[in-house]
Amino acid sequence: SAVISQKPSRDICQRGTSLTIQCQVDSQVTMMFWYRQQPGQSLTLIATANQGSEATYESGFVIDKFPISRPNLTFSTLTVSNMSPEDSSIYLCSVPGPRGRGRLGTQYFGPGTRLLVL
Amino acid sequence: DQQVKQNSPSLSVQEGRISILNCDYTNSMFDYFLWYKKYPAEGPTFLISISSIKDKNEDGRFTVFLNKSAKHLSLHIVPSQPGDSAVYFCAASALYNQGGKLIFGQGTELSVKP
Repeated sequence: SAVISQKPSRDICQRGTSLTIQCQVDSQVTMMFWYRQQPGQSLTLIATANQGSEATYESGFVIDKFPISRPNLTFSTLTVSNMSPEDSSIYLCSVPGPRGRGRLGTQYFGPGTRLLVL
Repeated sequence: DQQVKQNSPSLSVQEGRISILNCDYTNSMFDYFLWYKKYPAEGPTFLISISSIKDKNEDGRFTVFLNKSAKHLSLHIVPSQPGDSAVYFCAASALYNQGGKLIFGQGTELSVKP
């Protein structure tokens, strides 16, 4: 399985500031995903980041608020811009799992970044 | 529009008994369903999955049942162990239509008491 690390693991930020979250994978992957889990809610896909192209954002998420970089096949960043308390969430990156029998459609997740905006 | 729903936010069972976690979905385009387990301060980890062409998949103590006509799936854990205590997320994917992105339910927190 892929080993995924995220930095920072947690942070407390002031409203109006921005935070960049890093995601590092121990193997080369074409696609990386960014999710948000608001308190008591499900994981919601923010965007899909493909290396060498613009990220694809889901409905309700825009590039100005959540710019994503994907400089190579093992690394991606998500920036949460102009933060408000509503952005307090756990942010997770993931990569596709192996396509072997019984594991099609799976994703490996990083440990998450717990963000609190005051 | 919540396409995947887990209506029970929490479940408590006794060690050794069966745990049954339920999940409902609305989108008939979903063709793959997965269960993830999440411990605090960790990312979700894959547990078991089922294709829409099957109605049951078993892996050790874990069995997932799919009822397509009812758009319902369930995860059975038997026997339940204290280490199973975690949040369980149901997820669905339309692998060949929507690029394989996962739609998650809200999660059910399972507590297995010794």
